[in-house]
Amino acid sequence: DSGVTQTPKHLITATGQRVTLRCSPRSGDLSVYWYQQSLDQGLQFLIQYYNGEERAKGNILERFSAQQFPDLHSELNLSSLELGDSALYFCASSLSLGQTEAFFGQGTRLTVV
Amino acid sequence: GENVEQHPSTLSVQEGDSAVIKCTYSDSASNYFPWYKQELGKRPQLIIDIRSNVGEKKDQRIAVTLNKTAKHFSLHITETQPEDSAVYFCAASKTRLDNDMRFGAGTRLTVKP
Repeated sequence: DSGVTQTPKHLITATGQRVTLRCSPRSGDLSVYWYQQSLDQGLQFLIQYYNGEERAKGNILERFSAQQFPDLHSELNLSSLELGDSALYFCASSLSLGQTEAFFGQGTRLTVV
Repeated sequence: GENVEQHPSTLSVQEGDSAVIKCTYSDSASNYFPWYKQELGKRPQLIIDIRSNVGEKKDQRIAVTLNKTAKHFSLHITETQPEDSAVYFCAASKTRLDNDMRFGAGTRLTVKP
């Protein structure tokens, strides 16, 4: 167990809908990263938050947004869902400054039908 | 931003042989290079990492080398075993607040018994 908790584990929804994925980082970790992993694909960096503030942005679609709350948990919001959004969404956390390893959660498998 | 390229995308070796996976990065400011192993259906987990002040690091059957001048680093697995079969990801990041850990596309390693 990495200490990073993601909910839900599985999510099935219809096209056009909106979902929210939740991530609780390891205790004490200030950085949260979101990654998208499509079937048999690599890890695509979406966005990073550090202590509540957006710090880095990757290939995140405008239909997606995220935030990190004062208690450091983070949510990834996906709207106007398309079939191609079906993927495994990972959250990872690290202590600070990106200097230590990033611990991954178990991921949320999103299926858009 | 950082761009990490990883080769090969697939690698098949006989049990007992060595496996080498190579990555290149584009941002000369990157100074932290972790390697993650992802078994089927599971989350990526750190197996070894190297920082820019070190040229080589070894942990039992796995080793990582870094060439900062050429901006490439490699993972070496010796005496491979069937349980080494997984997808391996390299990553590069900088130790600062706006760090965005970028991953290579992954290498699917198959170790044949």
